[in-house]
Amino acid sequence: GAVVSQHPSRVICKSGTSVKIECRSLDFQATTMFWYRQFPKKSLMLMATSNEGSKATYEQGVEKDKFLINHASLTLSTLTVTSAHPEDSSFYICSAIRGRVGNYGYTFGSGTRLTVV
Amino acid sequence: GQQVMQIPQYQHVQEGEDFTTYCNSSTTLSNIQWYKQRPGGHPVFLIQLVKSGEVKKQKRLTFQFGEAKKNSSLHITATQTTDVGTYFCAGPSSSNTGKLIFGQGTTLQVKP
Repeated sequence: GAVVSQHPSRVICKSGTSVKIECRSLDFQATTMFWYRQFPKKSLMLMATSNEGSKATYEQGVEKDKFLINHASLTLSTLTVTSAHPEDSSFYICSAIRGRVGNYGYTFGSGTRLTVV
Repeated sequence: GQQVMQIPQYQHVQEGEDFTTYCNSSTTLSNIQWYKQRPGGHPVFLIQLVKSGEVKKQKRLTFQFGEAKKNSSLHITATQTTDVGTYFCAGPSSSNTGKLIFGQGTTLQVKP
């Protein structure tokens, strides 16, 4: 089945540093990927839509200069949290669509738990 | 803006009892999807409903899509401890950008 690999699964970084999260579609090409943020016991909040070969589309209230998204190939999108602060600590998840939504839905990566200390 | 609301937020049941979560959209949806997220895990696609009044079953899980295509429900018969997790409904954004709008989720706890 469709697999989306997300790396790293956990990361701890110091305030002020940057962290890069990778999202790869392993057995299909994804022209569009989505990045979500999830707080404990909360729903998924869409941050941005990542489009291969073009600029990402950010949701209202999401700082594009802080959350840099690059979708350089059909199988890889990256999210870089720049100058991280403790309030950026969260669970970040990517997702992609493979083929017909009715068959596979949106396939999610395993998520990255970011802790900024 | 477009919203998808889900109730209840939490549900604790005894193993063997039934469970239902309800989903309501502020707009008519072309389809509705259901996902399950286990504790510490990521959302996993369960099913998509497309037709008005559609009912689909997956073993003990029954999914319904309302006639007006604005509401949906997930019913689990005779819950088991393996059913523990958060169930999300999600509908496509009316902006037709491929975005999904998620409900708040219903977290199910099952007491053995």
